[in-house]
Amino acid sequence: GDSVTQTEGLVTLTEGLPVMLNCTYQSTYSPFLFWYVQHLNEAPKLLLKSFTDNKRPEHQGFHATLHKSSSSFHLQKSSAQLSDSALYYCALSGGYQNFYFGKGTSLTVIP
Amino acid sequence: GPKVLQIPSHQIIDMGQMVTLNCDPVSNHLYFYWYKQILGQQMEFLVNFYNGKVMEKSKLFKDQFSVERPDGSYFTLKIQPTALEDSAVYFCASSLGRRDEQYFGPGTRLTVL
Repeated sequence: GDSVTQTEGLVTLTEGLPVMLNCTYQSTYSPFLFWYVQHLNEAPKLLLKSFTDNKRPEHQGFHATLHKSSSSFHLQKSSAQLSDSALYYCALSGGYQNFYFGKGTSLTVIP
Repeated sequence: GPKVLQIPSHQIIDMGQMVTLNCDPVSNHLYFYWYKQILGQQMEFLVNFYNGKVMEKSKLFKDQFSVERPDGSYFTLKIQPTALEDSAVYFCASSLGRRDEQYFGPGTRLTVL
């Protein structure tokens, strides 16, 4: 069945360093991949969605590239900001089943 | 952008009582979801709902839970009876199609005493 696996637990980074949160997936279909971000005491919001045509989605300095060969959709940013501290969820939309959310990665950016 | 509303924002009830959480999804959306988030933990899928039926549910969706959306009104999550471990924030979400972006409501914080 479809599934998504992401960097679990806590990631702590110093401001200004690059961000990379891993996400790999399994799907028997051609899935859409998503990254959602949840700031403290807020609802999750869509950050990025994969395109069907190999374009690289970007938003708020974050980007992710869907690599079908490695079944990955890693989230990257060149320089972390304090305001990037949040929970990040990778999600997959595959075949008959709806969404699969990963377990979430808590990113903390320190000065 | 499209908004999902949830009522109430907070609810405090005694263990064993019934509670209904209400969600007003985006008006033209067809798929509806409930998620549970215990304080400090990740969000977990409970159930999704389409065309008047539960499509998929997780192990967290106990027999005491039920969902419905009568006549296109609120999409509701009912817990009867409640237990202490039901204390959490419950997020509702909706999407136009089953593969489309989900829009989340602000959540209902449920406290069971």
